[in-house]
Amino acid sequence: NAGVTQTPKFQVLKTGQSMTLQCAQDMNHNSMYWYRQDPGMGLRLIYYSASEGTTDKGEVPNGYNVSRLNKREFSLRLESAAPSQTSVYFCASRGQGKSNQPQHFGDGTRLSIL
Amino acid sequence: AQTVTQSQPEMSVQEAETVTLSCTYDTSENNYYLFWYKQPPSRQMILVIRQEAYKQQNATENRFSVNFQKAAKSFSLKISDSQLGDTAMYFCAFGLAGSTLGRLYFGRGTQLTVWP
Repeated sequence: NAGVTQTPKFQVLKTGQSMTLQCAQDMNHNSMYWYRQDPGMGLRLIYYSASEGTTDKGEVPNGYNVSRLNKREFSLRLESAAPSQTSVYFCASRGQGKSNQPQHFGDGTRLSIL
Repeated sequence: AQTVTQSQPEMSVQEAETVTLSCTYDTSENNYYLFWYKQPPSRQMILVIRQEAYKQQNATENRFSVNFQKAAKSFSLKISDSQLGDTAMYFCAFGLAGSTLGRLYFGRGTQLTVWP
């Protein structure tokens, strides 16, 4: 019963370093999402992917890139980390079908950039 | 553009009492759906309840129920018989129906504390 798995759970980076956050889901979902959560800001969408091979920008895409490697995996890359990217990052997925299908979330990655 | 507003950053309630969390949203669309998610200290995002806009009947899941007022664009969450385990951040979320992308718009959250 893995659901959505994110790695790593915690990471500390120095400014300018690069990092890839990994996300995999085993529910055969088509859509996948990356959010960041900052205190008092709720969850803000960074990028999303409706299906394998497609990605779209969300509200706060600057400084990030994504790859939908296959149906299961959706990675988020920080090419040159900045302190403003210190946050908790969540990956989510959603199946097709009825439009009331909820998103299923991973446990999050706490990322600190010094 | 769709926006979701949760006007109560923090709330507290005594165990076994009832509490209502507020959520309003803004959209020009007619078909959509709404969710409440719970985030306990473990940081997991857990679905609490969902509501389709075309349904007039308010959704209920055990101790959790919603008061959905479409004309007022209001979607409040009522927690009855509050338990210590209900202590969490609660997020209201909005999604457009018929969208293959299925993206959600979240409010900023309400931190609920249940005390003994």
